[in-house]
Amino acid sequence: NAGVTQTPKFRILKIGQSMTLQCTQDMNHNYMYWYRQDPGMGLKLIYYSVGAGITDKGEVPNGYNVSRSTTEDFPLRLELAAPSQTSVYFCASSWPGDTEAFFGQGTRLTVV
Amino acid sequence: KQEVTQIPAALSVPEGENLVLNCSFTDSAIYNLQWFRQDPGKGLTSLLLIQSSQREQTSGRLNASLDKSSGRSTLYIAASQPGDSATYLCAVIYVGGTSYGKLTFGQGTILTVHP
Repeated sequence: NAGVTQTPKFRILKIGQSMTLQCTQDMNHNYMYWYRQDPGMGLKLIYYSVGAGITDKGEVPNGYNVSRSTTEDFPLRLELAAPSQTSVYFCASSWPGDTEAFFGQGTRLTVV
Repeated sequence: KQEVTQIPAALSVPEGENLVLNCSFTDSAIYNLQWFRQDPGKGLTSLLLIQSSQREQTSGRLNASLDKSSGRSTLYIAASQPGDSATYLCAVIYVGGTSYGKLTFGQGTILTVHP
């Protein structure tokens, strides 16, 4: 099992550019999440999904969009990148039965 | 709004010591609690999950307890080793209503175990 896989691992964007962070899981989990981690700020929830076709905003959704067309994939879209979006982004998934969450290795994004 | 606090923020101990990391939360209604380990520049690795109906879980040298009445969880690490050096994060997982499955994290405890 690969678990949760995120691509790319690193990316540098210029202000105003856009990109998609990819996330896929092979555990058939219904629930998927996107978090961002800033130094000294802990992890904050951006968006989450309880199944294909269903998404909801988290604590810090502004500047981001998501879609969930399949159980496996949950891409995060950044439109018009800003320096405030410089962060490490983590994707996670869980099964509603026991809720144990599994995380990907993260994408380190720098906006300059 | 759920708030999760971890104490201490950082801890440095000599190898072999037993240690306790603390996690407190403000709303204990119906939550599971999960402990993670994060190595520098890496993702989060799940250590232990305590379900709402349980009081503790054990895995090897790790033992986590959950006291919902006081809004606290502790992670006990026995006979610490330099390889245990990492950041330890706790997360409260809501298991009811429209927020089912959402994790709220503490800020983490940075643990250093020196030889």
